[in-house]
Parts: sequence; structure tokens; C-alpha cells
Amino acid sequence: ETGVTQSPTHLIKTRGQQVTLRCSSQSGHNTVSWYQQALGQGPQFIFQYYREEENGRGNFPPRFSGLQFPNYSSELNVNALELDDSALYLCASSFRARGNGYTFGSGTRLTVV
Amino acid sequence: AQTVTQSQPEMSVQEAETVTLSCTYDTSESDYYLFWYKQPPSRQMILVIRQEAYKQQNATENRFSVNFQKAAKSFSLKISDSQLGDAAMYFCAYRSAPVNSFGNEKLTFGTGTRLTIIP
Repeated sequence: ETGVTQSPTHLIKTRGQQVTLRCSSQSGHNTVSWYQQALGQGPQFIFQYYREEENGRGNFPPRFSGLQFPNYSSELNVNALELDDSALYLCASSFRARGNGYTFGSGTRLTVV
Repeated sequence: AQTVTQSQPEMSVQEAETVTLSCTYDTSESDYYLFWYKQPPSRQMILVIRQEAYKQQNATENRFSVNFQKAAKSFSLKISDSQLGDAAMYFCAYRSAPVNSFGNEKLTFGTGTRLTIIP
């Protein structure tokens, strides 16, 4: 059983640029969520995808967008990067059922300079 | 909106001893789930234990157990026989139980407790 894999592991971008982060869900999982974890903080929910549609969003601006593909892999896109976007971005997948926990990836560390 | 509070930024414990990490939460919902996640330096969030709010019995997973006090909205984690590999950040998290299968399954996390194991 494969886990959740994220790429790249580290990334440095310049303010104003755009970035795409990728996530491969655990085999058999059909729901994927993205979280932003600033240094020294708990993860904050960005959004969730189920059956290729966004079905929940946290308090993040529209320049944070995503996609879920038929094979349940996912992308997180961030436009017009700001310095405050520097964080660890975590992807988590689950099989949509009552009470199931998530399987998390090891994250992508994004640094905006 | 739900909130999760972890009031202990750091804790330390001697190897083989027992430690308890605290978590409180605020919600108006009656049905929900609570989790403890461990985040080692590898950054991956690892599920330690989960509790279903409608179950009165406290969850237990080997050396890990919880003290779930629903009325007090408290959810503490007890680690027995602490081991060096237990050193990590520990996050308490809340998840609503959706009213249908299409509900949002987001997790709301606390700010974490850094646990150090002293050899």
C-alpha cells in the first residue's frame, strides 16, 4: 500500500511568481485536502476535493486554487506569491467514510523571497 | 466555528515515564471526531489515536490513551512508558461529523505541543 507522496520537497520562489505543488493520494483514497502550516503553527485547512470537485474551503483567497484528477492525484496552485505564503504545504488523503482519519504526506516546504 | 487549544507549547518527560498532553476545544456540535497527530522532524503527520464523540469509552492504542471529557470539552493524550521515538510535535485536531456523505471533512488543529524525551 503506497502512502501519500508530495513533490517537490522544497521550493524557493520569488514574490509575485506562481507555483504548483503536487500530491499523489494513497491507493484507494478518493478525497484529498490541502493544509498550510506556517512555522511554529498548526496546519490550516485550505480546501478539499472529492470526485474532482472542491467541496470545502478555508479562509484563503482565490489565488489559492486546486485540482483533483481522475486518478485522485491533486495539485495546489498559488498565484501572485506573497512573502507570507512561505510555509509547509501538506496534502492529506482519505477514503470518504464516516470518521476515517487522514493519511498525510511529508509536505512541500515553500520559501518565497 | 470550532477552535482547538493546546496550552502547553513544550513538555518533557524522562524515558519510560508517563506524560499527559492537554487539549481543549470549543464546538456547538454534538457529533464529531477528535484526533491526536504526531509530527516528527520528517514533517509527516502520523495519526496516533482518534475518538468518536458519541462513544463514552476512551480510546486506547498500545501505550497511547486519551481522557475524553465531552461535557468539559477536554481531550488529553497520555503516553505511557515514553520512548525516545515519541519525541515530536503533537497536534490535537477536531473534525465535524457531516450530516451527509458530501459534507466537508476538514480538520481543525491546535498549535501543537513539542514533546522532548530525556534519556
